[in-house]
Amino acid sequence: DTAVSQTPKYLVTQMGNDKSIKCEQNLGHDTMYWYKQDSKKFLKIMFSYNNKELIINETVPNRFSPKSPDKAHLNLHINSLELGDSAVYFCASSLLIRASGRAPGELFFGEGSRLTVL
Amino acid sequence: QKEVEQNSGPLSVPEGAIASLNCTYSDRGSQSFFWYRQYSGKSPELIMFIYSNGDKEDGRFTAQLNKASQYVSLLIRDSQPSDSATYLCAVSRGAGKSTFGDGTTLTVKP
Repeated sequence: DTAVSQTPKYLVTQMGNDKSIKCEQNLGHDTMYWYKQDSKKFLKIMFSYNNKELIINETVPNRFSPKSPDKAHLNLHINSLELGDSAVYFCASSLLIRASGRAPGELFFGEGSRLTVL
Repeated sequence: QKEVEQNSGPLSVPEGAIASLNCTYSDRGSQSFFWYRQYSGKSPELIMFIYSNGDKEDGRFTAQLNKASQYVSLLIRDSQPSDSATYLCAVSRGAGKSTFGDGTTLTVKP
């Protein structure tokens, strides 16, 4: 009974193609995120949605377009893929408010989607 | 200056020793502090969080926070080979944004 699930887990594609990654959470959280982890393991936030509203939009090329149809789903579409887009993309979710025994903003991560652009 | 800096690794300790992981942050408005563990090829998972100055203990793990010094640390007592992983420090001032450090890779040798 996966809490945060992403699909696909692996994508291998050619430069210039378009690809999408989907994410779903069943934790009842109100906030979802996309993080990018590069080959040096650095995790960088890309986007965040709270109740379907975009609240964080870091400096990311506009080839990346997130979409949240509802608060349990967050998708990421990438146009015109480039070699530098190769990375692991993690979806995560959290509650913005402090819940019992939890810190606000504690992140629950999906398994990651490893994107390789050739 | 990076927003969150961790002591450069890799860090290697013998089994049973104490592993000490350090993190400094630049944003004085930070409110919540997290330590995530990430095994190779896996996703990060939370192991500790702290938001008040002082120590917080959970089993073999102790998180320490000093807001005046903008410093947070994680101590792992009686280190086990299964503790070998990359440890990520994350800092949040709220509003849903956690900023991560580069991570410190810990190896515990049997």
